[in-house]
Amino acid sequence: EAQVTQNPRYLITVTGKKLTVTCSQNMNHEYMSWYRQDPGLGLRQIYYSMNVEVTDKGDVPEGYKVSRKEKRNFPLILESPSPNQTSLYFCASSLYPLIGRVRQETQYFGPGTRLLVL
Amino acid sequence: SQQGEEDPQALSIQEGENATMNCSYKTSINNLQWYRQNSGRGLVHLILIRSNEREKHSGRLRVTLDTSKKSSSLLITASRAADTASYFCATRSNYQLIWGAGTKLIIKP
Repeated sequence: EAQVTQNPRYLITVTGKKLTVTCSQNMNHEYMSWYRQDPGLGLRQIYYSMNVEVTDKGDVPEGYKVSRKEKRNFPLILESPSPNQTSLYFCASSLYPLIGRVRQETQYFGPGTRLLVL
Repeated sequence: SQQGEEDPQALSIQEGENATMNCSYKTSINNLQWYRQNSGRGLVHLILIRSNEREKHSGRLRVTLDTSKKSSSLLITASRAADTASYFCATRSNYQLIWGAGTKLIIKP
């Protein structure tokens, strides 16, 4: 079954304790992305990756790191979490967005990770 | 930065009625996508409309795009209780997808 998986689904941690949220997709997608969702703010992109070893900042990258060593995995790292990073996090993947070409670029989303930083 | 803005923020209708949601955006786009999110879960893609298309249908969904007004609408016909969800538009401008804050749709039985 084609899917995007995230782990953990729920996490409570304390300020300053490094954590990693894993994301994996089995669709051979080039493009992967992390979002955070906060009430009233919709989805905001944290980082995205066009392919292995290619990552770029989204709209709200401060306090986050990512890596793309393999095509299927795109972990999100919080080196020193703070309470303002309490949020619902989504990983998503899609085919490489070919600008100007006729191609579907549907984003496939993981189930979400609910993070609480105390 | 948030480009897409959905309108209304919340919509409550009776089962069987049609629901219309609007999305406005600011810059030129390659395509516009609509997604649905059931409470607290991942988003599910509904439909994609390209910048050179004006209207698209998928089952009970109808999407229109007016690039001169930088707006799109999503119409759900003959609504069902299972359509209760939040609906988001996302615009692609080059390699980023920019999301709106969503419309919360409630279908009353």
